[in-house]
Amino acid sequence: SQKIEQNSEALNIQEGKTATLTCNYTNYSPAYLQWYRQDPGRGPVFLLLIRENEKEKRKERLKVTFDTTLKQSLFHITASQPADSATYLCALEASSASKIIFGSGTRLSIRP
Amino acid sequence: DTAVSQTPKYLVTQMGNDKSIKCEQNLGHDTMYWYKQDSKKFLKIMFSYNNKELIINETVPNRFSPKSPDKAHLNLHINSLELGDSAVYFCASSQVKGETQYFGPGTRLLVL
Repeated sequence: SQKIEQNSEALNIQEGKTATLTCNYTNYSPAYLQWYRQDPGRGPVFLLLIRENEKEKRKERLKVTFDTTLKQSLFHITASQPADSATYLCALEASSASKIIFGSGTRLSIRP
Repeated sequence: DTAVSQTPKYLVTQMGNDKSIKCEQNLGHDTMYWYKQDSKKFLKIMFSYNNKELIINETVPNRFSPKSPDKAHLNLHINSLELGDSAVYFCASSQVKGETQYFGPGTRLLVL
């Protein structure tokens, strides 16, 4: 069955450093992968979508890579700020399309 | 200008009661979803409707019944509430089935 793992439940880093979050998947090949941000008490907010034929995508301080050989996506936040503290969720298109499957999330804390 | 709205935001009720959660989106999307987020923050899809037609129905007890009166609304009715139904329920919509999802603020359901 399809499995998606975000390796770190929590990640603490110093302000100004680059935060790198990992998303691994097994047993299928999604056509695309997404990253969302969720703040406490709020719904997830879409950040980036990367397709299988794209190696990398950027949006301001955010960068996402998609390695279909390793079955892995990396999500980077450069020049991290305390305001970047949140839970970040990766989501993959399910093999039976029309839906996406979410990972369990990584709680990122940026300390000043 | 809320894109996806849900009511109520909080719902506290007794076991055995029947309750409904309403969702509306003003984005003009054809596809809407209900997700359940449990205490471990794992976000799991329950149902999806595309243009008022049910397209995804995950393994969810029959006590949960979605209803889509039109493509801008997707309501969730829950019969005979149980303690294990306590969770946060998110409504979402997307322009393309399975792709970028726009989430509502969530309904925090507590069953006593």
